Parts: sequence; C-alpha cells; structure tokens
Amino acid sequence: VQLVQSGAEVKKPGESLKISCQGSGYSFPSHWIGWVRQMPGKGLEWMGIIYPGNSDTKYSPSFQGQVTISADKSISTAYLQWSSLKASDTAIYYCARHGPAYGDYPNYWGQGTLVTVSS
Amino acid sequence: QSVLTQPPSASGTPGQSVTISCSGSTSNIGINYVYWYQQLPGTAPKLLIYKNNQRPSGVPDRFSGSKSGTSASLAISGLRSEDEGDYYCAAWDDSVSGRFIFGTATKVTVL
Repeated sequence: VQLVQSGAEVKKPGESLKISCQGSGYSFPSHWIGWVRQMPGKGLEWMGIIYPGNSDTKYSPSFQGQVTISADKSISTAYLQWSSLKASDTAIYYCARHGPAYGDYPNYWGQGTLVTVSS
Repeated sequence: QSVLTQPPSASGTPGQSVTISCSGSTSNIGINYVYWYQQLPGTAPKLLIYKNNQRPSGVPDRFSGSKSGTSASLAISGLRSEDEGDYYCAAWDDSVSGRFIFGTATKVTVL
C-alpha cells in the first residue's frame, strides 16, 4: 500500500487550491480515505473521509463547509480543496487510508503536503 | 477539537519503561476501539496499536496497549533513543455525527 501526495504549495489568501493523494497497491475504490490536518507545532486533526467507490463523504463538524473532499476512482486519487484560502489554513495535510468499512481506522499514511498561505 | 486528553510529556532513560495515558468519555473510548499513532520528528504518523491492544506487523512487542472503561494506556518498555517523538491516541467519537478524533499528543523524550 502506498499513498503519494502532491508537492508543497505556497498560496496567497483568497486563492483556491486542490491537493491530491494517489493510492496504489490496494483496491482504491473499496477503502475509505481521509484527510488529517497538522498546523505548525500542533497536533493531528481529522477532517473527513470519502469512499471512492460511490463518493460517500463524511466531514468533521469543524471542517464542514470549509473544505471539499473528492475522489476520482479511475485514477485512484483523492483530493482536498479550498475555494478561498486563509492564513490559518497553513498546515501539513496528510491523507490516510482507512479500511473498507466506515468505522475502520487510518492505517496507511501519505507523506504529507505542506500548504503555506501568506500574503 | 480533541476530547481525548493525554499528558503533554513523558520521559525516561534508555531501557526504562514509560506509560502514556489517554482519557476519553462514554461517546468515544467507552464504546469504541482505541488506536495509537507514533509520529517521529519530521515524518508522517504511523499506526502503532489498533483495536486497543493489537500490534501491526513490524511493530516491536516493546509497545503495548490497554483499555479500561473510558481510558486507555500505551506502554513502552525497553525505551530506545529512536522512540523519541510524539504519540497520539485516537478513537471514533459517536457524539457528533461520527468523527475520528485524536488525543492531545504526548511528547516522549529519551534522556
């Protein structure tokens, strides 16, 4: 199992952004995949997950409406996107594969994508 | 966001044992499995313990997990310098439309 994330991004406040996470070595459509935020010097925060097979998506209440999680099962890739970035979105974002059932846990992680938002 | 409380730090000399606690509630640890993750400096988190006390293949048996009621613990025996890093407990929380939550993190220092 391997999760490869897109590279670091530097953006200005108000800009949009979409980062990616490509899975390999397993059946991508049939495993939930989620996103986790780690702000500078802080802990891990679970943002939400998606089931690529039918695009069923669940968000943590803290992130509902702030980001959009999507997936393209044809290319085994999950996405996390923002329509208008804020400085407070500066963080490392990890994708993490859960199991095949909702309620499973993150057991494989991507390498992380550093997003820096600064004017 | 986190409702799983851990001590901010723990330390020991090489060879010693350390135990990290994780306190939750009836909506998370009380009714769901506990997981533990290790994050070494500058790296992505790694699964250390799943379903309260199970070790993924490749995780040394120096690491062990337990759960009782609404609390859980991670024990590290035979502490080694390469164990230095942050440790997070985690669990599903059923109180607010189902979300996976991480603990507040414990930084382990090998003296």
